[in-house]
Amino acid sequence: GAVVSQHPSWVICKSGTSVKIECRSLDFQATTMFWYRQFPKQSLMLMATSNEGSKATYEQGVEKDKFLINHASLTLSTLTVTSAHPEDSSFYICSASGGGWVEQFFGPGTRLTVL
Amino acid sequence: KNQVEQSPQSLIILEGKNCTLQCNYTVSPFSNLRWYKQDTGRGPVSLTIMTFSENTKSNGRYTATLDADTKQSSLHITASQLSDSASYICVVSANRGGGNKLTFGTGTQLKVEL
Repeated sequence: GAVVSQHPSWVICKSGTSVKIECRSLDFQATTMFWYRQFPKQSLMLMATSNEGSKATYEQGVEKDKFLINHASLTLSTLTVTSAHPEDSSFYICSASGGGWVEQFFGPGTRLTVL
Repeated sequence: KNQVEQSPQSLIILEGKNCTLQCNYTVSPFSNLRWYKQDTGRGPVSLTIMTFSENTKSNGRYTATLDADTKQSSLHITASQLSDSASYICVVSANRGGGNKLTFGTGTQLKVEL
């Protein structure tokens, strides 16, 4: 299968600051990348879908001005949590598809803790 | 509304025993069904992916079944190991214009004990 990485694996920040999370497809070109959020003991919730070179499509209830997504290349997408608050603390997971693969491949996740 | 329900919510078994996890879905139009294993603090890892015409698929000690008529799937784990302790998530893909939309179950938390 294809490999997707995320960086950082965990981050702690102060309330009001911005945090950027990177998602990379290591061995294939990801035409589409997805960003999910997962709260403890809950399922993954899709936040947004991004296609390389175009604006992301956000799910209902997800603030696009708060969660900035950039998919500038076929191997990299970034999620920036702006003006983070404690309620944004969660496990953020990206996935990628493309390069002939039908299914999505998930990254290892990023644990965000906002103090 | 597309939904995926899994049971049981949690399960504790002894090492070496078998177990079966259930998944019921109301997703249409159906494209495929996947089972993922998610270790704590990690991203999901694919175990099996099944299309409409497939009834069963195995991956080592994992065997998934699919009944597209009753919209049910199961994941059977044989000879469980301590490393099988994880959350198992059933994910159903719906065929939508422009791509597939995934609906995630809430998972079954499996704990394998000595």
